[in-house]
Amino acid sequence: GAGVSQSPSNKVTEKGKDVELRCDPISGHTALYWYRQSLGQGLEFLIYFQGNSAPDKSGLPSDRFSAERTGGSVSTLTIQRTQQEDSAVYLCASSPRGRFTDTQYFGPGTRLTVL
Amino acid sequence: AQTVTQSQPEMSVQEAETVTLSCTYDTSENNYYLFWYKQPPSRQMILVIRQEAYKQQNATENRFSVNFQKAAKSFSLKISDSQLGDTAMYFCAFSFNQGGKLIFGQGTELSVKP
Repeated sequence: GAGVSQSPSNKVTEKGKDVELRCDPISGHTALYWYRQSLGQGLEFLIYFQGNSAPDKSGLPSDRFSAERTGGSVSTLTIQRTQQEDSAVYLCASSPRGRFTDTQYFGPGTRLTVL
Repeated sequence: AQTVTQSQPEMSVQEAETVTLSCTYDTSENNYYLFWYKQPPSRQMILVIRQEAYKQQNATENRFSVNFQKAAKSFSLKISDSQLGDTAMYFCAFSFNQGGKLIFGQGTELSVKP
């Protein structure tokens, strides 16, 4: 079946603009995760959605970052007033049940460059 | 705090040889899972192997095996008969009972040379 997809593959934006990154998880997976991969910080957890539960936003670095998941499927990560330090690869992953025993399946990521 | 440390930023190995990537972690949890993910230049993170902390037997997947030492909090990855396609960044990670979010090490960049 289809894997996790993300769009766009690459995004270049100017400092101060807002951006939206999209993630389509594997069909039937109830859990969805966003991670950020940057040179200075490595791979860091951002936010986690599981079914209809309130999302775990504990990894979001500032209030400029937000995410939503509509209908338990597609998720959008929004970064407002982008800064140069937001430049990174944003990875999305999904898992069947959101348990720590599950394997997470990753998308190809979106490379964000803030000029 | 939960942390994962990969002390080897870069490694290289000759094709067909064996290489071991190191990983240590720190956690107060008793039940958790450990993972090795591979990230080739395409950026797609791919699961290589996983290990449940309660299982003493080391996991193996074809040419990939782990040496899991729970008391030492060590989880190394051994790649046998290295192939050119194994060239990638390798990340050690673990998850525990807080929604399963992964905590990653800094990665080891492995180059397999012909």
